[in-house]
This record gives sequence, C-alpha cells and structure tokens, in this order.
Amino acid sequence: GAVVSQHPSRVICKSGTSVKIECRSLDFQATTMFWYRQFPKQSLMLMATSNEGSKATYEQGVEKDKFLINHASLTLSTLTVTSAHPEDSSFYICSARETGTEAFFGQGTRLTVV
Amino acid sequence: AQSVSQHNHHVILSEAASLELGCNYSYGGTVNLFWYVQYPGQHLQLLLKYFSGDPLVKGIKGFEAEFIKSKFSFNLRKPSVQWSDTAEYFCAVNPFGGEKLTFGTGTRLTIIP
Repeated sequence: GAVVSQHPSRVICKSGTSVKIECRSLDFQATTMFWYRQFPKQSLMLMATSNEGSKATYEQGVEKDKFLINHASLTLSTLTVTSAHPEDSSFYICSARETGTEAFFGQGTRLTVV
Repeated sequence: AQSVSQHNHHVILSEAASLELGCNYSYGGTVNLFWYVQYPGQHLQLLLKYFSGDPLVKGIKGFEAEFIKSKFSFNLRKPSVQWSDTAEYFCAVNPFGGEKLTFGTGTRLTIIP
C-alpha cells in the first residue's frame, strides 16, 4: 500500500513553546489529509481535515488558533501545536488519501509537554 | 453524527483459537465500514473494508468481517489466530460518500503462544 511518513515519532517540548509535526505522502498525491488525536485507551478523534491549497476544516471543539494546519502541497501537511501545555500531551496521527481511494496512516507522533 | 462501539477492550487468546471482535455503529444512513490493525510500534493498516455487495468481506491475513445491517454490526473474525496477530484492532465507519472516519475505541488482542 501507499506510504505516509510522519515526523517526528516522539517529541518532548517545554510548556509555552510550539512544536511542528510533519506528515508526508511518499508515493502518491494526497488531495486530502486528516489529523487525529488519540488519548490513552481511547479512540482516534478527528481534529481537522485539510485539502491541498485550502484552509483546514476543524472539528467542533478543536481550537484552530492552537492547532495550526498547513497543507501547502500535495505531499506535505503540517500540524503546529502553538503555546503547548501539558494537557496537549497526546498521540497525534495523520492520514492521507488521494481522491476516491482509501486513507493511509502515518505512524503517529507522541507529544509530551513538560 | 455517527458513533462506533467496540465492547471488547482487551482480548487474550491462545494460538489456534478462534477470534471474534465486536463492532456496532450508530448512523441512520448508508455507511462504509472498515477494520484497521495497529501492530506494536507500527502505523494503522487497513485489514478490510465494506462498501456494498456481499456482506461477508474477506481481508488480509485470513481475517473476515460480516456486515449485518439489521444489527448495525460489523464483527471481525478469524478462525485460527497466530501469535503475530497480537495488535490493536480498530473498527471505523464513514457515511457513504463522506470522508470522515469515526473510530471505535479499539480492542487490544494478545495471543499467547
């Protein structure tokens, strides 16, 4: 299947700083990318959907000014957690799909805010 | 909005045992259904999917799932599990023609050699 690469796999940052997570589709053009958040022993919760060249569509309850999503090209989307706080610590997962195909998932990023 | 329930949080089986993981969804319209697997340290991978047609769907690695519309269920089965099936399994649904996947909470499967 197609490959989605997420980087970094783990990151620790200080409270108040920002951290950027990258999601790349390596062998296909991702017209749509999705960002999820997963709490321990809970489901993947969709945070936002982004289409290349457009502003992301955020799910209800997700702060768009805190979780900045950029999908500037057909192979790259970034999620920036701004002014991170300990409650933002979580597992973040991206997925990407071409129009009409299934979504493929990245390996996830474990964010720890100290 | 749709929701997905996976009632088994952690299942422990011996090798060669049969497996059935439950998945129920709530949504009033037509849906697409998926089972994903996440092996330790790896990303989510698609096991199988149902869009339409035969409600018994066969996937990779000997897994199958049956869509029972009247029960809003899409249970995952495997007749004989292997140690390598140890993983987290997620059921997911999206409305027909839609993009957003709604996931269940996942079931951790541990196979004892």
